[in-house]
Amino acid sequence: GENVEQHPSTLSVQEGDSAVIKCTYSDSASNYFPWYKQELGKRPQLIIDIRSNVGEKKDQRIAVTLNKTAKHFSLHITETQPEDSAVYFCAAVSNTGNQFYFGTGTSLTVIP
Amino acid sequence: KAGVTQTPRYLIKTRGQQVTLSCSPISGHRSVSWYQQTPGQGLQFLFEYFSETQRNKGNFPGRFSGRQFSNSRSEMNVSTLELGDSALYLCASSATGTLNEKLFFGSGTQLSVL
Repeated sequence: GENVEQHPSTLSVQEGDSAVIKCTYSDSASNYFPWYKQELGKRPQLIIDIRSNVGEKKDQRIAVTLNKTAKHFSLHITETQPEDSAVYFCAAVSNTGNQFYFGTGTSLTVIP
Repeated sequence: KAGVTQTPRYLIKTRGQQVTLSCSPISGHRSVSWYQQTPGQGLQFLFEYFSETQRNKGNFPGRFSGRQFSNSRSEMNVSTLELGDSALYLCASSATGTLNEKLFFGSGTQLSVL
């Protein structure tokens, strides 16, 4: 089955700096890669996603890049703010679309 | 629309007992999946149901089972509880569970096994 590795497990940045979280996956058949944000005590929510036919996608301060050849994808957050503090999960989704394989999460702390 | 609802919010059980967790998806959603969340392990896939049929199952022992009803509500059962089963159990729903569909998560059931 699919195996998703996520790094780093914890990340602290100063407010205004950029944060980068990286994920690798093993199954070349995976073709959908969403990112979920989970604030403390809350449910995970989708923040951005990318399909395998796209190399990069941006939404305001967040962007995701995908390298299918190397089987890795990354989340980039620019101009970080304290409200960006949360746990971020990457996922690789099976080509049937109904099995999500999540990474182990990155706890991001933005220091004011 | 009401969001995904999970009950109960908290559960305390002892080893050897069994437990049933409930998940009501967003109205109109027919796919329900379940995840176990533990510190350091992230979100681990348990199983996914669509139209009362289990379509996928993760790598969990047979003590973990589930079902889905005709109204798309789903239940998850864990028998012969072990200490290691202590975790936050999240369910998520989507319309059809097909590619590129967003998952909507519930708030979870926090299970503590003593």
